[in-house]
Amino acid sequence: GEDVEQSLFLSVREGDSSVINCTYTDSSSTYLYWYKQEPGAGLQLLTYIFSNMDMKQDQRLTVLLNKKDKHLSLRIADTQTGDSAIYFCAETPLMFSGGYNKLIFGAGTRLAVHP
Amino acid sequence: DTGVSQDPRHKITKRGQNVTFRCDPISEHNRLYWYRQTLGQGPEFLTYFQNEAQLEKSRLLSDRFSAERPKGSFSTLEIQRTEQGDSAMYLCASRPAGTGGLNEQFFGPGTRLTVL
Repeated sequence: GEDVEQSLFLSVREGDSSVINCTYTDSSSTYLYWYKQEPGAGLQLLTYIFSNMDMKQDQRLTVLLNKKDKHLSLRIADTQTGDSAIYFCAETPLMFSGGYNKLIFGAGTRLAVHP
Repeated sequence: DTGVSQDPRHKITKRGQNVTFRCDPISEHNRLYWYRQTLGQGPEFLTYFQNEAQLEKSRLLSDRFSAERPKGSFSTLEIQRTEQGDSAMYLCASRPAGTGGLNEQFFGPGTRLTVL
């Protein structure tokens, strides 16, 4: 099927690290993406990773990719209250899209940051 | 720098009425996508345009749904005979050509539809 799976909720203390996990479906996905959605705002691309990489770091964000297990994670270091949002994992599987078209999203992980 | 815009931002309608939404992509983005997002879920793909050609449609897009992009710029999504199950956020996204395998889509703020 086309199900991208994520845990639905994560609560962390301000200053701690957050780790959001995702399992995707298609090993042919060339890129994997993390989007952020804040209330009243559109989806914003946070970061992405190319499938031949196993790690990508971008300031406070670290993406880890395990292709064998089709597992993707997003680590946010020094989590701030402004990081409170819904985080979506997404893929563009060649099997289903026939050429880099639609994104398939997970249900999203709601990150709550408390003092 | 103008992002993707959508109009209206909110629409309340009665069951059985027709509604039309508009999306203006980032200029010079030739690829345009419509998604639907229901509460507690991620966006689900509806349809895809490359310039004015509609190249892919999801099975979610029933006969009551139609999308157009007549001049390859803005797009409209029409829902006829709305049902309560159509209540959702309708998202539009665009991206330029020539990015290789990177499918970075830029999303608009969405149109929230409520069918009473």
